[in-house]
Amino acid sequence: AQKVTQAQTEISVVEKEDVTLDCVYETRDTTYYLFWYKQPPSGELVFLIRRNSFDEQNEISGRYSWNFQKSTSSFNFTITASQVVDSAVYFCALSEGAGGSYIPTFGRGTSLIVHP
Amino acid sequence: EAQVTQNPRYLITVTGKKLTVTCSQNMNHEYMSWYRQDPGLGLRQIYYSMNVEVTDKGDVPEGYKVSRKEKRNFPLILESPSPNQTSLYFCASSLSKVETQYFGPGTRLLVL
Repeated sequence: AQKVTQAQTEISVVEKEDVTLDCVYETRDTTYYLFWYKQPPSGELVFLIRRNSFDEQNEISGRYSWNFQKSTSSFNFTITASQVVDSAVYFCALSEGAGGSYIPTFGRGTSLIVHP
Repeated sequence: EAQVTQNPRYLITVTGKKLTVTCSQNMNHEYMSWYRQDPGLGLRQIYYSMNVEVTDKGDVPEGYKVSRKEKRNFPLILESPSPNQTSLYFCASSLSKVETQYFGPGTRLLVL
């Protein structure tokens, strides 16, 4: 069975601090896909990134970066120089490839609070 | 504009009164699904559909029904709602189960 663990329930930082949100996953599939979504206080779910299991390159998008390490089954998300607008709940998710489960698994989310 | 729409956005109802939450997408996606979000539990999938007339249970299907008569629509039906179905519901669609899911705005349901 696949599983996604976001051990940090809530993180509180002051603006301009860097913050890393952890995501650890479990799957028996060799082909799988990892996602991060953001849920701001307004409630909608916003897609941030998708990464397949064969691509371990780290990715940077502005102040956001993602560190994918298959050796530790982790897909961590770092926000550099955090801003108040980054305050949200962030979800990590896993989808298995062909032959695997048709049900994506979401972590329980990490609530990030950025104080001015 | 590519989007997933849900209606209603907010709903207060009473135990046992059948209700339907509609979901529609305009991206020609094959995969659609319903999730419920509860505090501390994240998103849990209720039902999914791989294509028209193909639906299957997710992790928490009890008390819910779905149908997929057209590719764009995937309504969620609560035949006899109970208070434990009070939750925030999201519809989502994607090209396939491994592609990015696009979520609707959510429906906040309160069952008294």
